[in-house]
Amino acid sequence: DVKVTQSSRYLVKRTGEKVFLECVQDMDHENMFWYRQDPGLGLRLIYFSYDVKMKEKGDIPEGYSVSREKKERFSLILESASTNQTSMYLCASSLRGPNEQFFGPGTRLTVL
Amino acid sequence: KQEVTQIPAALSVPEGENLVLNCSFTDSAIYNLQWFRQDPGKGLTSLLLIQSSQREQTSGRLNASLDKSSGRSTLYIAASQPGDSATYLCAVPAGANSKLTFGKGITLSVRP
Repeated sequence: DVKVTQSSRYLVKRTGEKVFLECVQDMDHENMFWYRQDPGLGLRLIYFSYDVKMKEKGDIPEGYSVSREKKERFSLILESASTNQTSMYLCASSLRGPNEQFFGPGTRLTVL
Repeated sequence: KQEVTQIPAALSVPEGENLVLNCSFTDSAIYNLQWFRQDPGKGLTSLLLIQSSQREQTSGRLNASLDKSSGRSTLYIAASQPGDSATYLCAVPAGANSKLTFGKGITLSVRP
């Protein structure tokens, strides 16, 4: 079975802190994704990566950056956390191309 | 730009009913369509992926159909159970890349 894990289930941070969210997949998938999910807005793509060191902006990249140094790991970085970044963050992975996506358990981030 | 719609937003049924969840999309040139389940506070679980060349895909009590020409997919759940209570989302890839466009989901409640 494909397994996608995220470093934390719940995280509480202060405004202005630098926040790292990590995602690891064990199926040698080329594609990895970061989404955020908010009530009424649904899932929105922040960034995705189709290979090591490659990244593309999604629909809402402002305030975020990403890092993919190894194929299995994709990190989302909030350079200076703000309260409007309080959300559920979901990581996903898939084989190259429009293939089935598999999601991690999510990280509920609260920025105070 | 692809838009994915799921109506109604919520549904409540008594246990044992067969039910149909609808998903519509505006651009029929899709590669596939994926159905997910999400339990409260959790990540997404992939239920079924139906390729554009397929009409149906089945997994246990679940059956997904796809009609590209009319821009519709349905998820049929047979003999619903309280454990089926969750939010069901559909998603399609945005072209040949892997970025998914999601519907906002249907929150299903199955009453014992």
